[in-house]
Amino acid sequence: EAQVTQNPRYLITVTGKKLTVTCSQNMNHEYMSWYRQDPGLGLRQIYYSMNVEVTDKGDVPEGYKVSRKEKRNFPLILESPSPNQTSLYFCASSRTGGDTDTQYFGPGTRLTVL
Amino acid sequence: AQSVAQPEDQVNVAEGNPLTVKCTYSVSGNPYLFWYVQYPNRGLQFLLKYITGDNLVKGSYGFEAEFNKSQTSFHLKKPSALVSDSALYFCASRNTGGFKTIFGAGTRLFVKA
Repeated sequence: EAQVTQNPRYLITVTGKKLTVTCSQNMNHEYMSWYRQDPGLGLRQIYYSMNVEVTDKGDVPEGYKVSRKEKRNFPLILESPSPNQTSLYFCASSRTGGDTDTQYFGPGTRLTVL
Repeated sequence: AQSVAQPEDQVNVAEGNPLTVKCTYSVSGNPYLFWYVQYPNRGLQFLLKYITGDNLVKGSYGFEAEFNKSQTSFHLKKPSALVSDSALYFCASRNTGGFKTIFGAGTRLFVKA
């Protein structure tokens, strides 16, 4: 089954404790992206990757890091989480970064930073 | 700057009635517009998209959307709402060149039996 998976689905942590949220897709997509969803703000793009070893900032990259060492994986790293990073996070992928391409979304990771 | 607006936080309709969820956009270049739906505790699912051509786009689950260039709108519609359509709906635009995506704030649709 074609899908985007994220782990963990739920995470409660404390300020300053480094964490990684994993994202993996099995569709051989070149493009992957991370979003955060906050009430009243919709989804905002954090980082995206056009291909292996090629990443760029979205609209809200502060406090986040990403890497793309393999085509299928695109982990999101919070090196020193803060309470304002409490949010619902989604990973997405699409065949290319083309402007007409449909994105496929993972199930989401709900992060709480205390 | 590119933006997508969904002017209604919530839309309430009775089952069997037509529904409309509104979206307006402001983009440079050609607008590539998408609608996604989010059911509780699920990721976003693609409904439909406008790329070019016919202004009326048909998508999944009986939804359709009308692209109106003069009004810069891309409203989502369905002729007869179902209770199971109750969900959070997002309008989105990918910029020309494609790498960034802008989402609207979302509209929660409630369909009452």
